[in-house]
Amino acid sequence: SQQGEEDPQALSIQEGENATMNCSYKTSINNLQWYRQNSGRGLVHLILIRSNEREKHSGRLRVTLDTSKKSSSLLITASRAADTASYFCATVTGGTSYGKLTFGQGTILTVHP
Amino acid sequence: EAQVTQNPRYLITVTGKKLTVTCSQNMNHEYMSWYRQDPGLGLRQIYYSMNVEVTDKGDVPEGYKVSRKEKRNFPLILESPSPNQTSLYFCASTLGNLGNEQFFGPGTRLTVL
Repeated sequence: SQQGEEDPQALSIQEGENATMNCSYKTSINNLQWYRQNSGRGLVHLILIRSNEREKHSGRLRVTLDTSKKSSSLLITASRAADTASYFCATVTGGTSYGKLTFGQGTILTVHP
Repeated sequence: EAQVTQNPRYLITVTGKKLTVTCSQNMNHEYMSWYRQDPGLGLRQIYYSMNVEVTDKGDVPEGYKVSRKEKRNFPLILESPSPNQTSLYFCASTLGNLGNEQFFGPGTRLTVL
């Protein structure tokens, strides 16, 4: 099974609501990153959180990291139709920042106008 | 404009016909990587390069080759493509190492008949 696994696999909400996506991983990480992908297009980096950080904010995005539970969550507040996309978490493992980046399977978010 | 470019964007080929997908970045990034994206499997790393002449295998390197002769270019070579290599391929680059965000190219959709 994959290092990063997102939950839920799909999420459907109304504009203005908050969306929360979760990511769990198995081995210790150097950092965890969240990306967004619009249908069939390239991924766009959202937030990077390091293993010694617990929470980060960027605009309407809030990411938390709980290394004891090996999990992270991405919260999008006051969602918009333009937030409709797939969201992926990705982990860097091995104790250094070099090497492999392992992606989860993603959460498909649909925001209805 | 800072970007990662890939060519071709779409390619249909036949089994066994060697092909190269080019990747170029204009941001002077050290780290470059190739991923493939398949339904239900998310993104999986094929190969990565930490700098010129330094490459290493990702999670799914079989059937692929790479080279890094110049800092800006990181071509992906399929010596003898097979139908199971039909996929959406992404190139990405990062300043320094994976402690920083990755910039993704627009993707190459490859079909091997």
